[in-house]
Amino acid sequence: GNSVTQMEGPVTLSEEAFLTINCTYTATGYPSLFWYVQYPGEGLQLLLKATKADDKGSNKGFEATYRKETTSFHLEKGSVQVSDSAVYFCALTTRINTGNQFYFGTGTSLTVIP
Amino acid sequence: KAGVTQTPRYLIKTRGQQVTLSCSPISGHRSVSWYQQTPGQGLQFLFEYFSETQRNKGNFPGRFSGRQFSNSRSEMNVSTLELGDSALYLCASSLAGYGSSTDTQYFGPGTRLTVL
Repeated sequence: GNSVTQMEGPVTLSEEAFLTINCTYTATGYPSLFWYVQYPGEGLQLLLKATKADDKGSNKGFEATYRKETTSFHLEKGSVQVSDSAVYFCALTTRINTGNQFYFGTGTSLTVIP
Repeated sequence: KAGVTQTPRYLIKTRGQQVTLSCSPISGHRSVSWYQQTPGQGLQFLFEYFSETQRNKGNFPGRFSGRQFSNSRSEMNVSTLELGDSALYLCASSLAGYGSSTDTQYFGPGTRLTVL
């Protein structure tokens, strides 16, 4: 079946540190991959996405590369800020006969301290 | 374009009651999905509606139901509320063309339901 596994949190980093949040997936067919971010008290916001192998999604200094050979989509940022403190969700969608089905990881909480 | 809106934002109910949550998708989006988010279980898929028909369903009991109207607005209903139904209920909309692997879901702010 389809599933997403992301690294357990919480993650605590100092401002300007390098961030990596690991995400691996299992999927049939050719999924699209996403990172969503959830700030306290809010819904999920799309952070970036990649729709095929070797694509790199990027936004607000965050990047993730769709690696088919390792079934991974790790999120990275070179220098985190306090405002990046949030919960990050990795997700995939696959084509099925009845449309698109989304699968989400359990979320990784990030806290950035000044 | 206006984003996904959900009403109400907060609800407090007691066990045994029923509740209806509402979601208005982004204009032009025909698919609406509902998720339950709890600290212990994360984000769990409830169901998806497309063109007024339930297209996909997660593993929730029949107390959880929904519908979609011709303008793509969707409602979710939970009957006979239990304490464990306390959660953030998120709605997401997408264009959801069949067979499109580039589809993206856009989320509303959620409805926080507390069952006492």
